[in-house]
Amino acid sequence: DAKTTQPPSMDCAEGRAANLPCNHSTISGNEYVYWYRQIHSQGPQYIIHGLKNNETNEMASLIITEDRKSSTLILPHATLRDTAVYYCIVRYSGGYQKVTFGTGTKLQVIP
Amino acid sequence: NAGVTQTPKFQVLKTGQSMTLQCAQDMNHNSMYWYRQDPGMGLRLIYYSASEGTTDKGEVPNGYNVSRLNKREFSLRLESAAPSQTSVYFCASTLGGARTSGYTGELFFGEGSRLTVL
Repeated sequence: DAKTTQPPSMDCAEGRAANLPCNHSTISGNEYVYWYRQIHSQGPQYIIHGLKNNETNEMASLIITEDRKSSTLILPHATLRDTAVYYCIVRYSGGYQKVTFGTGTKLQVIP
Repeated sequence: NAGVTQTPKFQVLKTGQSMTLQCAQDMNHNSMYWYRQDPGMGLRLIYYSASEGTTDKGEVPNGYNVSRLNKREFSLRLESAAPSQTSVYFCASTLGGARTSGYTGELFFGEGSRLTVL
């Protein structure tokens, strides 16, 4: 799995968009970018993933640069419940493989 | 549909004691994983089982053993617990295999097992 780099922490005002960056400069052509979040000490929860096109679902949007070396997770209208640790990982979507997580970004949504 | 179930949820051990953390999934997934998370830290992979009958070391395997009992169950054993193994342990699973239409490749996590070694 390619290594990812994320800022350790970020703040965002409630109601504003939260933009969480991730660098993955060693990503290979068949690896996807996945985002998870972990609220308190619960098990991480899948948010979204993408290969090279921008993706959107009911939770968030994922913007991947054209060279695929970085991406941004966007929470369009952050709420207090979005306060969590967000993990960006890269991996093949199928196959049989190990999956490693980094340290993630602690997002604090401020009232 | 329970997803990924871990037992026990809480455990206190004395140094040198042994115990097994159990994990079971009911989603017919091929791949299963054990992670540990120390306070304020990210997830670190201990062992994984890419498919039934196989197990491989992750980032921090020392002091642990695993057994993929069948397709549903993947256990983690501490033979001689140490205070450094105080942590929250998460089990996860994913379908694995060939990518099919609609398959996201996401990992599903259990609620965690909180282990304290005194």
